[in-house]
Amino acid sequence: GENVEQHPSTLSVQEGDSAVIKCTYSDSASNYFPWYKQELGKRPQLIIDIRSNVGEKKDQRIAVTLNKTAKHFSLHITETQPEDSAVYFCAAIETGANNLFFGTGTRLTVIP
Amino acid sequence: DVKVTQSSRYLVKRTGEKVFLECVQDMDHENMFWYRQDPGLGLRLIYFSYDVKMKEKGDIPEGYSVSREKKERFSLILESASTNQTSMYLCASRKQQTAQETQYFGPGTRLLVL
Repeated sequence: GENVEQHPSTLSVQEGDSAVIKCTYSDSASNYFPWYKQELGKRPQLIIDIRSNVGEKKDQRIAVTLNKTAKHFSLHITETQPEDSAVYFCAAIETGANNLFFGTGTRLTVIP
Repeated sequence: DVKVTQSSRYLVKRTGEKVFLECVQDMDHENMFWYRQDPGLGLRLIYFSYDVKMKEKGDIPEGYSVSREKKERFSLILESASTNQTSMYLCASRKQQTAQETQYFGPGTRLLVL
């Protein structure tokens, strides 16, 4: 089955700096890669996703890149703000599968 | 707007008690999931269901069972609660049309087993 690894487990950045979270996956059949953000005491929510036919996707300050050959994908947050502080989870799934495979999460702290 | 609700936000139970956690979604999703979330371990899948009365074991099913009698409702059962089942439990649902569907989570139930 699929195995998703996520690094780092914790990340602290100064407000305004960029943050990068990296994930690798093992199953080359995986073709959809969502990212979830979980603020303290709240439920995880989808913030961005990428499909395997795309190398990069951007939504305002958030971008995700995918390298299918190397089987890794990354979340990039630019101009970080205190409200970006949260736990971020990457995930992977292949067409026809029922359940997402999640990484172990990254706790991002943005220092004002 | 998809809503996934869970029956309790906080629960305190005694060792050996039978515990029921309920999850309800209102968007006619086929797939429903139960995860537990522990610090440093991320989201671990306990069980999932892709249809009424259907269930599949996830990564950590031991000590748990599930029930899906209706499409909108997915219950997690701890037959005899133990202290190592103290955790945050998250329910989720997703439409089955393709794998590339957003998965929606409930607010979570924080369970403490004494």
